[in-house]
Amino acid sequence: DIVLTQSPALAVSLGQRATISCRASQSVSTSSYNLMHWYQQKPGEQPKLLIYDASNLASGIPVRFSGSGSGTDFTLTINPVQADDIATYYCQQSRELPLTFGSGTKLEIK
Amino acid sequence: QVQLQQSGTELVKPASSVKISCKASGYTFTSNYMHWIRQQPGNGLEWIGWIYPGNGNTKYNQKFDGKATLTADKSSSTAYMQLSSLTSEDSAVYFCARSSRIIRGSLDYWGQGVMVTVSS
Repeated sequence: DIVLTQSPALAVSLGQRATISCRASQSVSTSSYNLMHWYQQKPGEQPKLLIYDASNLASGIPVRFSGSGSGTDFTLTINPVQADDIATYYCQQSRELPLTFGSGTKLEIK
Repeated sequence: QVQLQQSGTELVKPASSVKISCKASGYTFTSNYMHWIRQQPGNGLEWIGWIYPGNGNTKYNQKFDGKATLTADKSSSTAYMQLSSLTSEDSAVYFCARSSRIIRGSLDYWGQGVMVTVSS
């Protein structure tokens, strides 16, 4: 299985940039796609797709969210961070079955 | 608009089974894979498997082989997951989620989740 590693938590000040990383145990890129996706989950809610294929903004998601990366290293950036962004963020790969998720990064306000 | 409406909270006894549903609307049910994901209390997300409602094909995470059975009813645009031989380890929230494309898509729409509690 492809293991995705995320830091458990990140503390940032409102209005600043948050950078959340995800490292895969093997490449999740093909010649056509970077098969890493990002989700936001608030307590008691279902996950919400933010970024698909590493860098594409999902429908209805604010432009302060962006994604980058290829191969094994990926980043989700939130700039500027707003109070509503307090949540846990998960990366997920679809390169191979079983689909796997990172353990999540909890975004906290400094 | 795409919606996935899941059934309600379940309280079930150990060793029993439970079947939860996910009713899809706003798109052609038979054209997208439907995935199921588990989230144990305080934990992250685990992929259980997918079903392709167009032909009923399924694929399971080996970890859930024998535990979960996925089915779909095209007439009602509803996907189902049955969990069997329940133990306290199966207490979790279970989500259905639609795959955005046929090949290796992201999970673009999610149901609200069903909390299953296994307790005597």
